[in-house]
Amino acid sequence: SQQGEEDPQALSIQEGENATMNCSYKTSINNLQWYRQNSGRGLVHLILIRSNEREKHSGRLRVTLDTSKKSSSLLITASRAADTASYFCATDARGAQKLVFGQGTRLTINP
Amino acid sequence: NAGVMQNPRHLVRRRGQEARLRCSPMKGHSHVYWYRQLPEEGLKFMVYLQKENIIDESGMPKERFSAEFPKEGPSILRIQQVVRGDSAAYFCASSPGRGEVEQYFGPGTRLTVT
Repeated sequence: SQQGEEDPQALSIQEGENATMNCSYKTSINNLQWYRQNSGRGLVHLILIRSNEREKHSGRLRVTLDTSKKSSSLLITASRAADTASYFCATDARGAQKLVFGQGTRLTINP
Repeated sequence: NAGVMQNPRHLVRRRGQEARLRCSPMKGHSHVYWYRQLPEEGLKFMVYLQKENIIDESGMPKERFSAEFPKEGPSILRIQQVVRGDSAAYFCASSPGRGEVEQYFGPGTRLTVT
């Protein structure tokens, strides 16, 4: 199974601090994407990193990818209360369009 | 440009009834994906369709579940003779294809089987 696993399962930090979430997967991938899901809502695409990339930035988000360790990390800097949500990594393999999601990290930003 | 639309947003069915979930992809997108999310879990792939074709149904239960994406109209996920274990959030996503890998998700349909 290519099922990803996020770590930690839950994270609670103070507003203004940085939040780091990790994702591991099992098989070779084509791309890795991070999504955010607010409680009871749909998923919002945050960032995509391709297998030949090592780091990518988008605003307060920084994603790294280490294909040798089959892992990725998502860093949110200067967190805000509005960042409170669940964060999922999703991978797709070469030749397959479907996304395989991890279990998610529930992030809580305390004001 | 409207995003992916799903309806209904909430659906309540009694055991044994049929559930029909609809998904209209983003304008210009010809690829549709269905995922299921159980409480406190990640999304699980069910099926991938292009217009009039099922491309990958490896995540679909063998019985009671079917999906279609006709030439005209929305994609439909159909669950016959629902059971309590079918209660979940069902998400649809679309992509333009042509090598674009980002999938854009709809708000989901929350199915409750009583």
